[in-house]
Amino acid sequence: QKEVEQNSGPLSVPEGAIASLNCTYSDRVSQSFFWYRQYSGKSPELIMSIYSNGDKEDGRFTAQLNKASQYVSLLIRDSQPSDSATYLCAVKKDNQGGKLIFGQGTELSVKP
Amino acid sequence: EAQVTQNPRYLITVTGKKLTVTCSQNMNHEYMSWYRQDPGLGLRQIYYSMNVEVTDKGDVPEGYKVSRKEKRNFPLILESPSPNQTSLYFCASSSRDRGGGYTFGSGTRLTVV
Repeated sequence: QKEVEQNSGPLSVPEGAIASLNCTYSDRVSQSFFWYRQYSGKSPELIMSIYSNGDKEDGRFTAQLNKASQYVSLLIRDSQPSDSATYLCAVKKDNQGGKLIFGQGTELSVKP
Repeated sequence: EAQVTQNPRYLITVTGKKLTVTCSQNMNHEYMSWYRQDPGLGLRQIYYSMNVEVTDKGDVPEGYKVSRKEKRNFPLILESPSPNQTSLYFCASSSRDRGGGYTFGSGTRLTVV
């Protein structure tokens, strides 16, 4: 079992819709969770971080964390074609020197 | 501007010729890390460092070396590169703060022929 798992997609949504991306993790000790966006051939860009149960909103993005279910999600409201990218879920293990472990990524396509 | 700087951006080399990819950060971050990214395999950690002179192996350390003599620098060394090390490499850094995310460099595309 991979430590961080995501559906690889592709996930296709129409412009203006809500895109929902999901991630599960296996180690209950994991403490900080991140969502990165990566365009093809470019470096990952941090878009959201969360470490407490519940929701965290930043503009069109909402991250949700449920530690009991070991589940992290990212909602993108009013999706735009420029949101088309691969979204990477990552877990930072603060008790292991800040080791950051990535899921395989979900490819999102927003159709005009 | 807060950033992680990697050099070079592109490199073509021959099998067995030692090379170093440099990484520097200006954010006074404690944590630094190297990743490689290959199609279908995602981002895999090579080495990471918790602070000066403290490093540890990631998931794919074979064929690589690192050093952390100064807080800002974390070079990646390939003593004898092989074609299977052809990949896109990323350096990243983070603070120790809970919830502190990693900032990534622009990447180094390495081709070993």
